[in-house]
Amino acid sequence: DQQVKQNSPSLSVQEGRISILNCDYTNSMFDYFLWYKKYPAEGPTFLISISSIKDKNEDGRFTVFLNKSAKHLSLHIVPSQPGDSAVYFCAASSPGTGGTSYGKLTFGQGTILTVHP
Amino acid sequence: GAGVSQTPSNKVTEKGKYVELRCDPISGHTALYWYRQSLGQGPEFLIYFQGTGAADDSGLPNDRFFAVRPEGSVSTLKIQRTERGDSAVYLCASSLTLSAGKQFFGPGTRLTVL
Repeated sequence: DQQVKQNSPSLSVQEGRISILNCDYTNSMFDYFLWYKKYPAEGPTFLISISSIKDKNEDGRFTVFLNKSAKHLSLHIVPSQPGDSAVYFCAASSPGTGGTSYGKLTFGQGTILTVHP
Repeated sequence: GAGVSQTPSNKVTEKGKYVELRCDPISGHTALYWYRQSLGQGPEFLIYFQGTGAADDSGLPNDRFFAVRPEGSVSTLKIQRTERGDSAVYLCASSLTLSAGKQFFGPGTRLTVL
């Protein structure tokens, strides 16, 4: 049961253009969403997050959009740079019983982004 | 270094053996998390600690897996009677407090069970 899905295994874009990475989820209890970036032989690095009370969060070149009705979120990178080439993971979290469990992240399968000079 | 460290970086073992994987979190971080990442998949939650206690161990696949954090800092993930299906990268993360967002990951331990 894949509760967080990234249906595009890979994405290739030209330097300077926009990169759009997509993520869908099925669990309506998820209320906090994150994007992580991962380089080979390194652990994932937190990139940006969004709470379900918002529909957009922006940090520099990175913007995350959340569409709760569609259970869909996307990460926009503008302008894309060769150093952005990495695997991007979408992740989600929900409050567990008793208000705990924000620490438990459910990840998608990842999308390999390649930005060509 | 100031980041999360994991040892060993690689571990090769034989089916049926016992292994221990170690995680040193960032100093002062009270929450510690273990994830497992299989090839082509995203990290899969195993367990997390708040201080010394396991706050949520719902991701441990079976009773062959066990994790401890006796002094609220270093954690050890223990796998008994390893199976080939246990082969994966085991990731550890820590955060200042229990938090979904600000989890800092280590580089992982690649476990191969022959």
